[in-house]
Amino acid sequence: AQSVSQHNHHVILSEAASLELGCNYSYGGTVNLFWYVQYPGQHLQLLLKYFSGDPLVKGIKGFEAEFIKSKFSFNLRKPSVQWSDTAEYFCAVNAPGGYNKLIFGAGTRLAVHP
Amino acid sequence: EPEVTQTPSHQVTQMGQEVILRCVPISNHLYFYWYRQILGQKVEFLVSFYNNEISEKSEIFDDQFSVERPDGSNFTLKIRSTKLEDSAMYFCASSEAQGTLNTEAFFGQGTRLTVV
Repeated sequence: AQSVSQHNHHVILSEAASLELGCNYSYGGTVNLFWYVQYPGQHLQLLLKYFSGDPLVKGIKGFEAEFIKSKFSFNLRKPSVQWSDTAEYFCAVNAPGGYNKLIFGAGTRLAVHP
Repeated sequence: EPEVTQTPSHQVTQMGQEVILRCVPISNHLYFYWYRQILGQKVEFLVSFYNNEISEKSEIFDDQFSVERPDGSNFTLKIRSTKLEDSAMYFCASSEAQGTLNTEAFFGQGTRLTVV
């Protein structure tokens, strides 16, 4: 069965620090990959997505992610975090042929201190 | 910007009671979903719905659960007889097309269900 692993459950950073959140998935075929963010009290919002093409994708709010097929990874990065990036981040995989069903990782709770 | 809306934001119910969680998907979307997130755990797929019928469901979605699109705009999740372990955040989502067409799902804010 397909699965998604997020390596860090809680990350604490100071403002201006660089961020990298790990995400690995298990599926051998073609996948669509997503990072969603959930700010406190708000809904899941799409940060960025990868369907095909350039494996380095840029999303909203300065986030980017790199798809490395050989490593089954889709790590999220941001060079300089802000206090407003405090949120929970979810990596997700689109299960192929599954009516767009998403398989989520466990999430990473990021706290950014001023 | 169009968005998926869910009501209520928080529902408290007694064990054994029926609950209905409501969602209004984005108007031109054709595919609808329910997910849930038990506190501290990952977001889990429950069910997908297309063309007025369930297209896929997970093992979580047992006979206690049902979905309906009663009036062409609302999309509801009903839990017939709630259990303590049904306490979770329930997310509704919708998408324009299915996964092979490279589309994305838009999520609502969630309904926090607490079963006491």
